[in-house]
Amino acid sequence: DGGITQSPKYLFRKEGQNVTLSCEQNLNHDAMYWYRQDPGQGLRLIYYSQIVNDFQKGDIAEGYSVSREKKESFPLTVTSAQKNPTAFYLCASKPGQGLAQPQHFGDGTRLSIL
Amino acid sequence: AQSVTQLGSHVSVSEGALVLLRCNYSSSVPPYLFWYVQYPNQGLQLLLKYTTGATLVKGINGFEAEFKKSETSFHLTKPSAHMSDAAEYFCAVSDQDFGNEKLTFGTGTRLTIIP
Repeated sequence: DGGITQSPKYLFRKEGQNVTLSCEQNLNHDAMYWYRQDPGQGLRLIYYSQIVNDFQKGDIAEGYSVSREKKESFPLTVTSAQKNPTAFYLCASKPGQGLAQPQHFGDGTRLSIL
Repeated sequence: AQSVTQLGSHVSVSEGALVLLRCNYSSSVPPYLFWYVQYPNQGLQLLLKYTTGATLVKGINGFEAEFKKSETSFHLTKPSAHMSDAAEYFCAVSDQDFGNEKLTFGTGTRLTIIP
């Protein structure tokens, strides 16, 4: 079955550590997205990529970094500069250009600080 | 930039009763609108979408939504609630920002079903 796989499902970070969240899709989608979800705040866009080797900052990019070396992969690194990283992180993808195209979501990674 | 307002962060209905979740958007151009559902510790699943054409859109699990341009609304309804409908629901609008396509989400409505 085609879909988006996020790993791990739960992740714990010590103070001062960088951690990387994995997102892999086998839907052959061009565009990929990372969102952060906090209770009562909906989803906020961190980074997105509409094509391999290119990505743009979203609304809350500070303290995060991404890469897009392969079409199917869009890993997110939460750096030590992100002061409040505890949240639920969601990865999404969509086929390509077209505002009518819906995004497809993975099952998320929950990040907590030890 | 577009914005989405979901009135009521928590909604409770009895099993078998009508479900009505409200969504209003701001847009200066014809919008593309989506409703997603999220079950605990899972990602978002598309319920339905409005792009063009018929203003009453039917989705999965018996849900439907009506696009009303004059009211800038896209409310989600289901005639008879089921226990399995308990989840969080997000309304979203598709937007273009300097040539880049983005989804803007509302803050969500948590639906509780009372047995």
